[in-house]
Formats: sequence, C-alpha cells, structure tokens
Amino acid sequence: EIVLTQSPDTLSLSPGERATLSCRASQSVSGKFVAWYQKKPGQSPRVLIYSASTRATGIPDRFSGSGSGTDFTLTISSLEPEDFAVYFCQQHGNSPQVFGPGTKVEI
Amino acid sequence: QVQLQESGPGLVEPSRTLSLTCTVSGGSIGSGNYYYAWIRQTAGKGLEWLGRIFPNGGGMYSPSLRGRITLSIDLSMNHLSLQLTSVTAADTGIYFCARGSRGSYWLYPLDFWGQGTTITVSS
Repeated sequence: EIVLTQSPDTLSLSPGERATLSCRASQSVSGKFVAWYQKKPGQSPRVLIYSASTRATGIPDRFSGSGSGTDFTLTISSLEPEDFAVYFCQQHGNSPQVFGPGTKVEI
Repeated sequence: QVQLQESGPGLVEPSRTLSLTCTVSGGSIGSGNYYYAWIRQTAGKGLEWLGRIFPNGGGMYSPSLRGRITLSIDLSMNHLSLQLTSVTAADTGIYFCARGSRGSYWLYPLDFWGQGTTITVSS
C-alpha cells in the first residue's frame, strides 16, 4: 500500500502570494495517478487536479499540478481569499485510494 | 447532475455496528462507467479512504478496516450501503460517499460527493 506524506503541515501566506504544496509517495505512483482536493470546513472535498497535472472541470487556471514517480506538487499561482483551506493529495488510479494527511493554507 | 446523500443514525454505541446509506439521484447507480467510495474525516486523521465498490458489487477495502467493513450496492433502490462492525470512539467522524469515473484499467478521482453525515460513537 502506498503511503502519502504532505509538506508543510501548514502554510501561512497572504492573498496574492504563491503557494507550493508537496506530496511524496512511499513508492512510485503508476500512471502519475495523483489527485489534489480542496477541503473547507462544513463542505465536501472538491477535486482540483487529477493525473498529477490535469485540472478538473471548472477549476481556475491559478491551480496547477506537476510531478511524477514519488514527488508531486500543487501550485496556486496567486492566492485568492477563497483559496484558504486544507489541501489533500490522493493516489486515485487503483485501490486503496489513499489520501495524504493534508496541508493547511492559512492567512 | 448526479447528487449523493448520506444518511445514518448520528449516534452509535461502542461495540455496535454502524450502518450508513448513500442515496444516488440524477443518474443510475448501475452504470458501469462509475465507481463509488466511502471516505471519512476524523479529528486525528484528515481524510481516510474506507473502501470502494463497483456496480457489479466488487468491493475493496482499506487494509486498516478489513474484517470490519462491508460495502454493498442496491441497484433497485439506487443506493449503496456501508456497515462497520465493532465501532469504537476512533470511528467518530464525518462519513462521505462519493462517485468517480472508471477508465479501462484505472480509476479517475472522486468528483461528486455527498454532504457527509456526522457519526458519534459514544455510550
């Protein structure tokens, strides 16, 4: 079973700044099947990126993903006020579709 | 637009069995193009993937829950179910059901989610 770790635990930034979030897998993720989700309190998670770099439908282009093998990155080019949330990576290609522990992006 | 809605008891006593239902509307649960998963959010563990099921009933479960969890699907009622036995306080959290699309050999991410149902394990 793949184990995902995320860093940092918390990212303290201001609106307009760039956010770079990391997700590392314990073994190579086949097919680059890594997704990123945004989770806000009281809401369901929302998928932002899948297959490492493909934006999901309706996701603004300030969100981008990259990576392969064991190292993956989510970048938010210029933070908007609504982007302050917790972000989780997930191996989605096959089961178990494990999640990482999350990175909180706070003001 | 597909919608998913979880329902459950809210409060479960320790050592009992938790039973949850996820009702799917706006689409047939029997379509082979999709799969369904259960995820929970607990205080200490963020998002935890619990298991997934295909419309033909094929399920796979988190290794940490194997032996306690069973997923099932009822095509006639257009809903899926989760049963978790021998619950403890560690099973307290918000339980979500979600749907993703199936590729030929892999699974796409979960792009439709229910609102979640809060479960507390306590006597």
